Amino acid sequence: GQQVMQIPQYQHVQEGEDFTTYCNSSTTLSNIQWYKQRPGGHPVFLIQLVKSGEVKKQKRLTFQFGEAKKNSSLHITATQTTDVGTYFCAPYSGGYQKVTFGTGTKLQVIP
Amino acid sequence: GAGVSQSPSNKVTEKGKDVELRCDPISGHTALYWYRQSLGQGLEFLIYFQGNSAPDKSGLPSDRFSAERTGGSVSTLTIQRTQQEDSAVYLCASSLYRVGGNSPLHFGNGTRLTVT
Repeated sequence: GQQVMQIPQYQHVQEGEDFTTYCNSSTTLSNIQWYKQRPGGHPVFLIQLVKSGEVKKQKRLTFQFGEAKKNSSLHITATQTTDVGTYFCAPYSGGYQKVTFGTGTKLQVIP
Repeated sequence: GAGVSQSPSNKVTEKGKDVELRCDPISGHTALYWYRQSLGQGLEFLIYFQGNSAPDKSGLPSDRFSAERTGGSVSTLTIQRTQQEDSAVYLCASSLYRVGGNSPLHFGNGTRLTVT
């Protein structure tokens, strides 16, 4: 299947600025997960969104699932150097479908 | 508890040799995935095992790649006649699959394969 696009591919921000990455699917999803991969590390699960229009917050991170369950976003408020890494969405279509990952957004925070 | 364990952590091999990569998933996890990640790139799906179902092999890039999962637990990814383009980090992940939904993937630290 076609890999889900994330935009932007790369983002450089000054520490303290906000950051947003978007994940867009052409099909309706059952749910979507978000992962973070630090440089040299492996992906680590952040959150799962299931309901249409769902918004979840984790400290400075806000995750949204679109009303049509086709797109999602991750917003980081006041970035810190610890936010550096690549953020991947993992859209899931349901049933026994495999989990594949979006193209990822690489975030670099300039101190 | 113990996480996903992969071995070896690093493997250097000569072009044309066969390699075996091992993954020990979290106990009780019925779903197991292999992904490949080239330097600075995304996560490329390779193969997916779910319980006793036939594996989804749709991501294997060529017939040189194969994988097994014995007893619903340990998995081995085999690459025959390795090529330089096979150089990458091979990541294994497992999850506690729930009917009608999915659960978070837990990744191992990966095996870094270098083909010289």
